[in-house]
Amino acid sequence: NAGVTQTPKFRILKIGQSMTLQCAQDMNHNYMYWYRQDPGMGLKLIYYSVGAGITDKGEVPNGYNVSRSTTEDFPLRLELAAPSQTSVYFCASSAFLNEQYFGPGTRLTVT
Amino acid sequence: ILNVEQSPQSLHVQEGDSTNFTCSFPSSNFYALHWYRWETAKSPEALFVMTLNGDEKKKGRISATLNTKEGYSYLYIKGSQPEDSATYLCALDSGGGADGLTFGKGTHLIIQP
Repeated sequence: NAGVTQTPKFRILKIGQSMTLQCAQDMNHNYMYWYRQDPGMGLKLIYYSVGAGITDKGEVPNGYNVSRSTTEDFPLRLELAAPSQTSVYFCASSAFLNEQYFGPGTRLTVT
Repeated sequence: ILNVEQSPQSLHVQEGDSTNFTCSFPSSNFYALHWYRWETAKSPEALFVMTLNGDEKKKGRISATLNTKEGYSYLYIKGSQPEDSATYLCALDSGGGADGLTFGKGTHLIIQP
């Protein structure tokens, strides 16, 4: 099992550009999540999904969009990148009331 | 927005000493309390998921307790080793996992040889 995979590992974007952060899991988990981690701020939930076709906003969703067309994949889309979106992004998955499994993270810089 | 507090923010401990730190959380809408270990340049890895008041869990030299009525959990490390150096995160599950976790800011633990 690969667990949770994320691509790319690093990316530099110019202000106003768009990109998609990819996330996939092979554990057949229904629940998937996107978090961002800023220094001194801990992990903040951006979006989450409880199954294919179902997504919902977390604590900090502005500037992002997600889709969940399959159980395995949960891409995060950034439209019109802004410097405030410079962060490390983690995707995670879990089963009900179980631990979350995290991907390796994507380090994004917007300049 | 739920508030999960961890203390202390950072901690220096001599190798071989035991230590503990605290996570406090609102006790309403409680499903589970998670502890994660996060090493630098890696991803968080789960240590414990606790659901019942009075729960005690143990993994090697690391253990945790849970008090859901007063809203706190303790993480204990016995006989600290340099490889225990990491940030320890606690997180509140208030929706059965269905709406993500609310994380504290972590306790950054440094073990000094």
